[in-house]
Amino acid sequence: DVKVTQSSRYLVKRTGEKVFLECVQDMDHENMFWYRQDPGLGLRLIYFSYDVKMKEKGDIPEGYSVSREKKERFSLILESASTNQTSMYLCASSSPHYLLEAFFGQGTRLTVV
Amino acid sequence: TQLLEQSPQFLSIQEGENLTVYCNSSSVFSSLQWYRQEPGEGPVLLVTVVTGGEVKKLKRLTFQFGDARKDSSLHITAAQPGDTGLYLCAGGSGGSNYKLTFGKGTLLTVNP
Repeated sequence: DVKVTQSSRYLVKRTGEKVFLECVQDMDHENMFWYRQDPGLGLRLIYFSYDVKMKEKGDIPEGYSVSREKKERFSLILESASTNQTSMYLCASSSPHYLLEAFFGQGTRLTVV
Repeated sequence: TQLLEQSPQFLSIQEGENLTVYCNSSSVFSSLQWYRQEPGEGPVLLVTVVTGGEVKKLKRLTFQFGDARKDSSLHITAAQPGDTGLYLCAGGSGGSNYKLTFGKGTLLTVNP
């Protein structure tokens, strides 16, 4: 069974902290993505990676960075957490196939106080 | 910029009723997917349609891709409380574009 695993289901962090969200996939997928999901705004793409050490900005990259040192792992970093980054964060992976079917992790509910 | 509009945004029905939700765009997509997301979980892929006019069935769920590959619909027959969730459509453009375009979803509640 295909699996995308996010390191935490729930996180509470303080304003100004550096926050790391980890994602691991076991499907040998080249593509990996980080989204945030907010009521009324839907899924918004933060960053994606199509290969190890390769990354591209999505629609809302400000305040975030990413790291992909190994094919199976994609990390999202909040350099200095702010309250407007309180959200549900979703990691996904897909193969570079024209269908682009995405497999999602269970999500991380991040609260910044 | 490609956009996918989903309607209705919210839908609350009684168990046993039928329903249809829609996903529309002015852009052509090479493939279109439907996902279901339960509260507090990540979206789960239900189906992918790729051919204009294609119809796929998954038990009580029927998915259709428009002839022009710009729109899709999801029909649920005899809805059950277990169908409750957020239904998302997503379009892929193929080529070198790695990204999916997601709609904002239809939040379905099926009351017992």
